[in-house]
Amino acid sequence: DTGVSQNPRHKITKRGQNVTFRCDPISEHNRLYWYRQTLGQGPEFLTYFQNEAQLEKSRLLSDRFSAERPKGSFSTLEIQRTEQGDSAMYLCASSLFQGASTDTQYFGPGTRLTVL
Amino acid sequence: KNQVEQSPQSLIILEGKNCTLQCNYTVSPFSNLRWYKQDTGRGPVSLTIMTFSENTKSNGRYTATLDADTKQSSLHITASQLSDSASYICVVSTIGGNKLTFGTGTQLKVEL
Repeated sequence: DTGVSQNPRHKITKRGQNVTFRCDPISEHNRLYWYRQTLGQGPEFLTYFQNEAQLEKSRLLSDRFSAERPKGSFSTLEIQRTEQGDSAMYLCASSLFQGASTDTQYFGPGTRLTVL
Repeated sequence: KNQVEQSPQSLIILEGKNCTLQCNYTVSPFSNLRWYKQDTGRGPVSLTIMTFSENTKSNGRYTATLDADTKQSSLHITASQLSDSASYICVVSTIGGNKLTFGTGTQLKVEL
């Protein structure tokens, strides 16, 4: 257990429905990242926050995806009008960034999304 | 385009044996390289982080090496255990960048 929690762990939904995932980072960590991982592949970067500010978004993050971190603590990732191609493991990671790029990212267990 | 390639794609070894996993990268400008272990259905867990100036770093039975000139890294696992069965992912970060570029991983299976 890295101290990063994600809920739910599994989500099955029908195409066209909206889903929301939650990530609770390690409490003192100022950075929070979202990744998507499909079977047999490494995680792909989606977006990251420093405190409550969303500093970068990947081109993978289409208009149907939105992420928030309103109080600089937990974060939510919402997918609207889900498509079958959205089926993947969604990973959250957090880190304590203090100026060096060698901050260790601690990953949560992931939320596995299946879109039928 | 920043890329990280790992080999072999999968590996089966007997318990107690050693193995070495390879990683080649074309990420630039290079900042650091990490090895993660990911158990099935779980998030990745960091094993080592190496910067440009570091050639080797150990974490228990795991030893990572880095050759920044040839842009290659290896992860050596000594005296393998059944619990080492997992995917091992090589991850590279760029200077000033906040995105990590992940390899596709080497799936290791340790058998009796």
